[in-house]
Amino acid sequence: EAAVTQSPRNKVAVTGGKVTLSCNQTNNHNNMYWYRQDTGHGLRLIHYSYGAGSTEKGDIPDGYKASRPSQENFSLILELATPSQTSVYFCASGDGLGGPYEQYFGPGTRLTVL
Amino acid sequence: QQKVQQSPESLTVSEGAMASLNCTFSDRSSDNFRWYRQHSGKGLEVLVSIFSDGEKEEGSFTAHLNRASLHVFLHIREPQPSDSALYLCAVSMGPGNTGKLIFGLGTTLQVQP
Repeated sequence: EAAVTQSPRNKVAVTGGKVTLSCNQTNNHNNMYWYRQDTGHGLRLIHYSYGAGSTEKGDIPDGYKASRPSQENFSLILELATPSQTSVYFCASGDGLGGPYEQYFGPGTRLTVL
Repeated sequence: QQKVQQSPESLTVSEGAMASLNCTFSDRSSDNFRWYRQHSGKGLEVLVSIFSDGEKEEGSFTAHLNRASLHVFLHIREPQPSDSALYLCAVSMGPGNTGKLIFGLGTTLQVQP
């Protein structure tokens, strides 16, 4: 089974500060995704990547940047954190090569911006 | 833009009674459907994935897809209190369309002993 890990698991940041959330996957999947989960909105896609060096905007990219330096790692960057970015963030990886497409999620990072 | 809606918003059943959850989607060209479970404060656990009309069983979970009616159902056979969680339906168009998932808001299931 795919292994997706996230760090940190919990983070408290100040408004205007820079926050970096990290994700690592060990199953050599090409695609990686960042979602946020909020009550009343469900999970929404922020950024995704097709492979090392690529990043694409998802449905709610404003205020976020992404970086995919390698196949295994995908980071989400908040250059100027705001209280509206308080949420739970999930990373996922997936690949459809050789069969039906599956997507596996990490345990989540709870971010609080004060 | 694909829309995914789930009903009911919350459901309470007695231990051992069948639980049925409903998910409707808006795009008939969707070809990837999956149900996830999320216990409070935890990550998402995939329960069952289905890619063609009909039924797919994984343990006590059965997904039923009817693309003509834009519905995908999840039936939980003999649920236990440990099955109490948020159940999420997710729909995508597969790797050819980025593979990104569109989620419903979920159904909160409470299983009473």
